[in-house]
Amino acid sequence: KNQVEQSPQSLIILEGKNCTLQCNYTVSPFSNLRWYKQDTGRGPVSLTIMTFSENTKSNGRYTATLDADTKQSSLHITASQLSDSASYICVVSPRTDSWGKLQFGAGTQVVVTP
Amino acid sequence: DSGVTQTPKHLITATGQRVTLRCSPRSGDLSVYWYQQSLDQGLQFLIQYYNGEERAKGNILERFSAQQFPDLHSELNLSSLELGDSALYFCASSVSDRDGYGYTFGSGTRLTVV
Repeated sequence: KNQVEQSPQSLIILEGKNCTLQCNYTVSPFSNLRWYKQDTGRGPVSLTIMTFSENTKSNGRYTATLDADTKQSSLHITASQLSDSASYICVVSPRTDSWGKLQFGAGTQVVVTP
Repeated sequence: DSGVTQTPKHLITATGQRVTLRCSPRSGDLSVYWYQQSLDQGLQFLIQYYNGEERAKGNILERFSAQQFPDLHSELNLSSLELGDSALYFCASSVSDRDGYGYTFGSGTRLTVV
């Protein structure tokens, strides 16, 4: 079972509107949680990184929140733009001695329409 | 430009053939990670190298192999290619041998097997 679950799988929003993406994880203990934006056919680009002790992190119109108690994170997009159309991926880094063990969610596909 | 360079950007080859994908990490990064992303699928971790040594293995097929050279660039070799190997292959790099904050993806190589 995937240790990082994202919802919704996809969503369509009107330009200028806000939206919130969800990420639930079971990875424990974890070192940090990241949100990436991936444009179609391109490599993922980091939006935010939060340690387990942080509750919120902003990057322009993107705001990520983290509740380590409930193991939930959200990514809020404010005043969406057409360029926000992309897949948004939640990634959790376990706090272990293992390497290369990032746990990836399947992503939420966001489509912003005019 | 993320600083992680992948070549070629596109590759079309026939079933049964062998190809080599190349990745040059960001300057100063010692770790290289390889990922596979099939159509509409999440990122699947394949393998990690740190300073020339293999550090972690994920869901990498026996037909696939990789190495990291003294100049720290890495190559992913895919042999006996099958139609199902068609995917985007991403490389990422980081400074340390653990997936730390400076984790950066390249723009990927799109492999099409016909």
